[in-house]
Amino acid sequence: SAVISQKPSRDICQRGTSLTIQCQVDSQVTMMFWYRQQPGQSLTLIATANQGSEATYESGFVIDKFPISRPNLTFSTLTVSNMSPEDSSIYLCSATDSQETQYFGPGTRLLVL
Amino acid sequence: GEDVEQSLFLSVREGDSSVINCTYTDSSSTYLYWYKQEPGAGLQLLTYIFSNMDMKQDQRLTVLLNKKDKHLSLRIADTQTGDSAIYFCAETPNQAGTALIFGKGTTLSVSS
Repeated sequence: SAVISQKPSRDICQRGTSLTIQCQVDSQVTMMFWYRQQPGQSLTLIATANQGSEATYESGFVIDKFPISRPNLTFSTLTVSNMSPEDSSIYLCSATDSQETQYFGPGTRLLVL
Repeated sequence: GEDVEQSLFLSVREGDSSVINCTYTDSSSTYLYWYKQEPGAGLQLLTYIFSNMDMKQDQRLTVLLNKKDKHLSLRIADTQTGDSAIYFCAETPNQAGTALIFGKGTTLSVSS
């Protein structure tokens, strides 16, 4: 199994600012993903973080708003740019291990005022 | 497109069995997962089943898959108050290792 950590675990931000969330996996993984879970909702995929190339975004999510980096096989960042209160959510990083099962980080709880 | 449906709420008494149901639309799904989310916490992988299996048992958890009806269930035996959480069903369309499609989650409430 893969153990995933995220930083920060939570934050309160002012509108118009940006926050970068870090995701660290304890082993090399093939796939890494970023999801958003809005209050009381299920998880929605934001993008697939590709190692060494641009992320692949889902419909409704764009690189300018959610830039993603993945410089190596164990680390990725998601930036939430120019935040508004509608961006208040839990942001979760996930990774697929060699057994092709998908594990999740503990999430980053973001509140935008 | 792909869709995963779950009932929203389930209430059981401590010691009873809980059965959480899920239906999905993508017949090419390879892996189907159950995740647990406790209040204020992230997602914990409970169990998963490969699409060529009918059943998988892991301690108090039993997963049943009816591929013909595209129906997945999670049975929790001897349900405890600590099992109170939201349970998400998820599938990987097309191939394993790809992003998951989640249901809306079933809130399980266990009363003593």
